[in-house]
Amino acid sequence: GESVGLHLPTLSVQEGDNSIINCAYSNSASDYFIWYKQESGKGPQFIIDIRSNMDKRQGQRVTVLLNKTVKHLSLQIAATQPGDSAVYFCAENIRNTGKLIFGQGTTLQVKP
Amino acid sequence: ETGVTQSPTHLIKTRGQQVTLRCSSQSGHNTVSWYQQALGQGPQFIFQYYREEENGRGNFPPRFSGLQFPNYSSELNVNALELDDSALYLCASSLAGALYEQYFGPGTRLTVT
Repeated sequence: GESVGLHLPTLSVQEGDNSIINCAYSNSASDYFIWYKQESGKGPQFIIDIRSNMDKRQGQRVTVLLNKTVKHLSLQIAATQPGDSAVYFCAENIRNTGKLIFGQGTTLQVKP
Repeated sequence: ETGVTQSPTHLIKTRGQQVTLRCSSQSGHNTVSWYQQALGQGPQFIFQYYREEENGRGNFPPRFSGLQFPNYSSELNVNALELDDSALYLCASSLAGALYEQYFGPGTRLTVT
């Protein structure tokens, strides 16, 4: 069936270190993969997306890597800050539908 | 802030009742999707509206229904509420040409007792 899963439920990092959040997906028909950040009491916030024909995309302090061979997605956050503390979700878009399938989320805790 | 607004913020209903949740999309966005997020879970796709018609549906029963209005705002209606319907309900808006790029509102927290 369709599923997007996250490898670790909680990631704890020191302020200033780099963070890597991983995600596995199973649907080969997905055309876009998106990372969202959700802070307590708020809706998911769009961070970055990557098209299925790319393997890397960089944003401001974030990089997303896509490995279609093993159906793996990762989000790298450089110089992690306390404001990065949140739950991070990866989501895949079923081709041409706008139906996003989310994983369960990884909680990122940043220690000062 | 995304510009997507939802009302009400919180709602408490009794099992068997009906509820209507509202969403205003980001300026210029013509597509609205609704998601249900149970505590500790990722959002689950309910359905999507484009040009005032349902344009895709997830695995939710017919008692979950929706509307989209000419100004692209939308409503989610849930009939015969069950305890398991307690969740955060999120709407997200996007452009028809980039359905994957969805911007979420803050959500409505529904509690069914």
